[in-house]
Amino acid sequence: RKEVEQDPGPFNVPEGATVAFNCTYSNSASQSFFWYRQDCRKEPKLLMSVYSSGNEDGRFTAQLNRASQYISLLIRDSKLSDSATYLCVVILPPTGGFKTIFGAGTRLFVKA
Amino acid sequence: SQTIHQWPATLVQPVGSPLSLECTVEGTSNPNLYWYRQAAGRGLQLLFYSVGIGQISSEVPQNLSASRPQDRQFILSSKKLLLSDSGFYLCARGQGGYEQYFGPGTRLTVT
Repeated sequence: RKEVEQDPGPFNVPEGATVAFNCTYSNSASQSFFWYRQDCRKEPKLLMSVYSSGNEDGRFTAQLNRASQYISLLIRDSKLSDSATYLCVVILPPTGGFKTIFGAGTRLFVKA
Repeated sequence: SQTIHQWPATLVQPVGSPLSLECTVEGTSNPNLYWYRQAAGRGLQLLFYSVGIGQISSEVPQNLSASRPQDRQFILSSKKLLLSDSGFYLCARGQGGYEQYFGPGTRLTVT
């Protein structure tokens, strides 16, 4: 089993749609969680952190479910500019250094 | 503000040639620094990370090496490139178990 797994997609949605991404992780000791966005041929950029209490930033909501070991990202009222690859990131506690694990990403295409 | 510089932006090198990619960080001191590689259509693979000058940890055995000669400088090298070394090389900075921030990357094509 991969340490971090994401549905590769692509997700094709119309403008205005609500879309949800899930990500599962295998190590129950994982301590920090993030969502990144990566545009084509660009570097990943931090989208938001993920907390057990949930985290909302405008149209974006991130949730963490430690019991089931998954995190989610919800995008409401999708815009054309939301088209990108969304990466789930998990940080494991230090065993000689923190280990950061990136999911392979989920591609999103928002169409007019 | 904290900025990460990487150069060159793109590079085409023949198989067997050496490689040196440089990453420098501004606006912060003693950051954790990371080198990642992203092959075409694939996820990010952590290659090396460094918690301080001269301290390098390798995540994947390969023909690449890394060095950190100064606090804010991180260098990725190879003596002889392979075709499989082609990819998008990203330098990132972070602090402990917190989020990482990426530089603009170097796109390497080995021919």
